[in-house]
Amino acid sequence: KQEVTQIPAALSVPEGENLVLNCSFTDSAIYNLQWFRQDPGKGLTSLLLIQSSQREQTSGRLNASLDKSSGRSTLYIAASQPGDSATYLCAVTSITGGGNKLTFGTGTQLKVEL
Amino acid sequence: DTGVSQNPRHKITKRGQNVTFRCDPISEHNRLYWYRQTLGQGPEFLTYFQNEAQLEKSRLLSDRFSAERPKGSFSTLEIQRTEQGDSAMYLCASSKDRFKSTDTQYFGPGTRLTVL
Repeated sequence: KQEVTQIPAALSVPEGENLVLNCSFTDSAIYNLQWFRQDPGKGLTSLLLIQSSQREQTSGRLNASLDKSSGRSTLYIAASQPGDSATYLCAVTSITGGGNKLTFGTGTQLKVEL
Repeated sequence: DTGVSQNPRHKITKRGQNVTFRCDPISEHNRLYWYRQTLGQGPEFLTYFQNEAQLEKSRLLSDRFSAERPKGSFSTLEIQRTEQGDSAMYLCASSKDRFKSTDTQYFGPGTRLTVL
């Protein structure tokens, strides 16, 4: 059974700092990995999707890497801003799960302070 | 592309009552998913449809839960005889159908259910 872990559970940084969020998964047989952002009481916004054959994806100040063999992904946020404050979730689509559902971590709650 | 919409956004009900939620996916998306999220946790998969066919259900989906997608467009999730443990955010997502690969799932804003 696929399990996804995110470290740290919470993070507080001053504005302008670069930061890294970590995600690990137990079964490396995946189709892809996604990073999402969730604001309090809201739905999920997809940030980046990395297919299993890819090593990284970039969007603006965000860069996500994938090391499938070691079961790890990182989300790098450059020059953090207060508007980046949210919970960040990673999720994988497992081949053994039929490729029909996302398995999520519990998220990293990020606070960027002025 | 108006995104995934869900109604209602909030629902408060008394234990034992039935509730129904609706999800309207992005119009050209064939796949529709339901997830449940409790406080401090990531979403957990409940079920998914490809067009009107319900192809997978999680063991989380007890016999009090039923989901339909009658015409392959919108979907409903009904919970019968609600229990306090059903209190959660119910999230709907949709994606295009691509054979042997998966596409980005786009999520709606969710329906927050509170069972008193």
